[in-house]
Amino acid sequence: DIVMTQSPLSLLVTPGEPASISCRSTQSLNSNGYDYLDWYLQKPGQSPQVLIYLGSSRASGVPDRISGSGSGTVFTLKISRVEAEDVGVYYCLQALQTPYTFGQGTKLEIK
Amino acid sequence: EVQLLQSKIEVKEPGESLRISCKTSGYNFASHWIAWVRQMPGKGLEWVGIISPRDSETRYGPPFQGRVTISADTSITTVYLHWGSLKASDTGIYYCVRSGMGGYNYDYWGQGTLVTASS
Repeated sequence: DIVMTQSPLSLLVTPGEPASISCRSTQSLNSNGYDYLDWYLQKPGQSPQVLIYLGSSRASGVPDRISGSGSGTVFTLKISRVEAEDVGVYYCLQALQTPYTFGQGTKLEIK
Repeated sequence: EVQLLQSKIEVKEPGESLRISCKTSGYNFASHWIAWVRQMPGKGLEWVGIISPRDSETRYGPPFQGRVTISADTSITTVYLHWGSLKASDTGIYYCVRSGMGGYNYDYWGQGTLVTASS
């Protein structure tokens, strides 16, 4: 099975400052020119929601200050200017092969 | 409007059987795989398994293989997650999730069913 490792596991960010989360996989997630890596945010008390799919495609309604990049085994989620609504736990998910696997989660808090 | 509706809470004793449901609406049920994702208390997300409503093909994560069964009823556009014998360690929130057409992009999530297995 593919193992997903996120870092850091927690972030404390000042509003307006940038934030970055890394996700690494134990094998390449690239197939046919696409990277099968999604990013999700679980806000407190809510179901998770998709932010990014196929490594860098922004889901509907996601602000453009949130972006995904990377390829192969190394991926990054970036928030250019953190806002209060960004608080929660961020997860990466590999969707290349079953069983799909999530990263451990990164908790983002506001200073 | 796409919706995935789940019951909120299920309380059972260890050893009992349980089936939770995910009623879908607002899209072509046969066109999207449905996954189940577990979240144990205070923990992260775990992929339980997935089903194709078109032909009932299923796949399971290793910790769940043989422990749960995923099924679908196309006549009522509903997906189920079934335990034959619950353990205390099955306690957690179970989300049903619609998968995008390519298997990625879990775009619609149910509100989650809290399953508590306790004596």
